[in-house]
Amino acid sequence: GIQVEQSPPDLILQEGANSTLRCNFSDSVNNLQWFHQNPWGQLINLFYIPSGTKQNGRLSATTVATERYSLLYISSSQTTDSGVYFCAGHGSGNTGKLIFGQGTTLQVKP
Amino acid sequence: DTGVSQDPRHKITKRGQNVTFRCDPISEHNRLYWYRQTLGQGPEFLTYFQNEAQLEKSRLLSDRFSAERPKGSFSTLEIQRTEQGDSAMYLCASSSDRNYGYTFGSGTRLTVV
Repeated sequence: GIQVEQSPPDLILQEGANSTLRCNFSDSVNNLQWFHQNPWGQLINLFYIPSGTKQNGRLSATTVATERYSLLYISSSQTTDSGVYFCAGHGSGNTGKLIFGQGTTLQVKP
Repeated sequence: DTGVSQDPRHKITKRGQNVTFRCDPISEHNRLYWYRQTLGQGPEFLTYFQNEAQLEKSRLLSDRFSAERPKGSFSTLEIQRTEQGDSAMYLCASSSDRNYGYTFGSGTRLTVV
């Protein structure tokens, strides 16, 4: 079955709006990470968040590992927030492999 | 520290040619990963090194693909007899044992014509 599932697949926001992106992950996935891929293809690590809550400026993330989900909050969105947001986690066992979700494509309009 | 560096940024090659990409990870990172990404998809795992040892290899990595990390520092990914289906962005990432957060390079975009 699907191991990492993201929603929504697409999101359009007006500049200044807030949004929440969701990532559901299966029992065999842990050590959640959130990435932003900008329009030039660069993948930036936003958060390494196996559990709990972290904040970095206008972004924050919460992972509830016992309920197998993670949320990424974007507040006061800016046009530079546009791009694709991926969540990913390690598979079970001593694996280095990250399993990625299909991503949420965000467009922030001025 | 300049982050993860990949070279070249772009490569156009004719079908059947061999290509080699290089990745220089963050110097303190002992783990190095190669991923491939096609348009509209998330990155797909190819292979993983811990120091110089190649610990994991995806079934996506056919016998035309080989990766090395000879001294536990930089890594190379070679594709022999390239095919049009190999056209993709090849991404390298690194991490450490103390923090599994990945740092990705800018990628090498391969186009096979």
